[in-house]
Amino acid sequence: DVKVTQSSRYLVKRTGEKVFLECVQDMDHENMFWYRQDPGLGLRLIYFSYDVKMKEKGDIPEGYSVSREKKERFSLILESASTNQTSMYLCASSFAQNSGANVLTFGAGSRLTVL
Amino acid sequence: KQEVTQIPAALSVPEGENLVLNCSFTDSAIYNLQWFRQDPGKGLTSLLLIQSSQREQTSGRLNASLDKSSGRSTLYIAASQPGDSATYLCAVETNAGKSTFGDGTTLTVKP
Repeated sequence: DVKVTQSSRYLVKRTGEKVFLECVQDMDHENMFWYRQDPGLGLRLIYFSYDVKMKEKGDIPEGYSVSREKKERFSLILESASTNQTSMYLCASSFAQNSGANVLTFGAGSRLTVL
Repeated sequence: KQEVTQIPAALSVPEGENLVLNCSFTDSAIYNLQWFRQDPGKGLTSLLLIQSSQREQTSGRLNASLDKSSGRSTLYIAASQPGDSATYLCAVETNAGKSTFGDGTTLTVKP
């Protein structure tokens, strides 16, 4: 019954490393999203994608990039990790119907620590 | 810019009580409002979704209402249980799939 899978639950990386966070959904959703969640700041949208090879910046895209080569997979890339990118990263997906019935489904989260 | 506020930030109740969580938003041009539950260190689990044309949705002991004109939603939890302890977040979808989240209400139900 798993629907949105994030490949890593916990990662520890060093400053300057390149980090890949992978997300796969099996619901044939058009929309996919990457959020980060920090205490006191709530959930903030980093990037989202409406379709394969399509991407749009969210509220805090600086320091991140994304890739969507296949419909089911959406990757978040930290080109050069920094300590202020230590956070919980949450992937989500939904259909793209303009009906208001698009349930947003989340993965279990990836806790990234940058040392 | 849409802003979503949840009050209170934390709530502690004895087991068995009925309770109400509040969510308010500033822009009434929404597609839907969704309530989520988040356990510590975990992802978000969808509880209820109310489309903009709807007034309420029910699932088991949960009932969510939406008053779009006043920019408010409530989540009613009946006969609370310790297993209901979690953080509850609301989110409004305002622009082609993009959602804005509140900061959540952390609920503790004491046995």
